[in-house]
Parts: sequence; structure tokens; C-alpha cells
Amino acid sequence: DIQMTQSPSSLSASVGDRVTITCRASEDISHHLAWFQHKPGKAPKSLIYSASRLQVGVPTHFSGSGSGTDFTLTINGLQPEDFATYFCQQYNYYPPTFGGGTKVEIK
Amino acid sequence: QITLKESGPTLVKPTQTLTLTCSFSGFSINTTGVAVGWIRQPPGKALEWLALIYWDDDKRYRPSLNSRLAITKDSSKNQVILTMTNVDPVDTGTYYCAHRRAGLTFFFDYWGQGAPVIVSS
Repeated sequence: DIQMTQSPSSLSASVGDRVTITCRASEDISHHLAWFQHKPGKAPKSLIYSASRLQVGVPTHFSGSGSGTDFTLTINGLQPEDFATYFCQQYNYYPPTFGGGTKVEIK
Repeated sequence: QITLKESGPTLVKPTQTLTLTCSFSGFSINTTGVAVGWIRQPPGKALEWLALIYWDDDKRYRPSLNSRLAITKDSSKNQVILTMTNVDPVDTGTYYCAHRRAGLTFFFDYWGQGAPVIVSS
């Protein structure tokens, strides 16, 4: 299975900060990567697919980049509602696999 | 608007069979390209994809769990059912069902909020 390594596992940030989360695949997955936001007790929410395409309705201060093995989720101007756990997923290879998650906490 | 909701027992004894139901709205499982999957998250661990069923009743399973899983659909009720036999405490976790975006292999664009499952005697 493709291993998805996310970093950092957690971070503390303030409202207005720029936050960067990275995801590394153990093999080339082209651009077949998605990012999700997850809050406790809620349904995970898809943010980005195909590495950089914003899901409909997702605020534009979220952006994704990368291809091959290295990917980045950037949150520009962190908002209070952005404090959550974020995880990546590759869907280039079967079975699909997920990163371990990054918890974004309030500093 | 696509919504999904998981339901099933919260507590299951080891060796028993776990049956989870995903009730959905906003799409038809009979529409070409549509698929619904199940994903779980053990406590403190990463998410793990389990199974997928397509509009044409084709199915895919996590290879390591293939012998224990069965996924079916009831299009008349807008439900997808996951059955896991011979459960073990390591199967404890939160189980999610999710809608797979058509044309994007295993990208899940809408998820349910999850159903907690504890396997314990």
C-alpha cells in the first residue's frame, strides 16, 4: 500500500496566520491527492481534490499544490472556524490510503 | 445536497458479525458512475478504506479484510450496508460511509459523520 506521511502531526497557530501542512507519498501518485478537514463529531469535509482543485463551496483561503510525491495544503489567513484536523488521501493506487492527520490548534 | 448517515450497533462482542447501514440522500446509487464506500478510523490511528460498491453492483474490498467484508446496496431504500464477520477488538473505531465522486476513482467528496463501534466482551 502507498504510505502517506503527513507533517506536522499538530501545530499551534493564531487567527490570521498562514499555515502549511505537507503530505508525502511513498510513490509517485501524480496529482491524485485530496485534502479534508475534520472536526470532532462532524462529517469530514472535502476541501481539495486533484492536488489543487478547490471543492465547490470551499473558501478560497484554502489552496493545494504539488504533484508526484510531495504535496502541500496552505491556509492563508487562518479563520476561527479553521481550527480542526486536516488529512490527505491518495486515490491514484488501490487501495486508497490516508495521511495520519494534522491537528491545527489555537495558539 | 448530498448527505449520508451511518447507523448500527455501538457495542459488538468479539467473533460476532457487525452490520452497518449507510442511509443517503441527494443522489441515486443507480446513476452511472456513482459509488459509495466505507472507511474506518481506529482510535489514534489513520483512516483506513474498507470497501466500495458501484452503481452496477461491482464491489471492491480492502485486500487484507476481503474475506470478512461484504458490501451491498438497497437502491429502493437509498442504503448501502457493510457487513464484517468475526469482529475483533482491533476493529474498534469510527466507521464512515462516503460518496465517491464519479470519474475520480476513490475520491470521496461527501462523508457521513461516522458511527462509533466498540468491540469488547
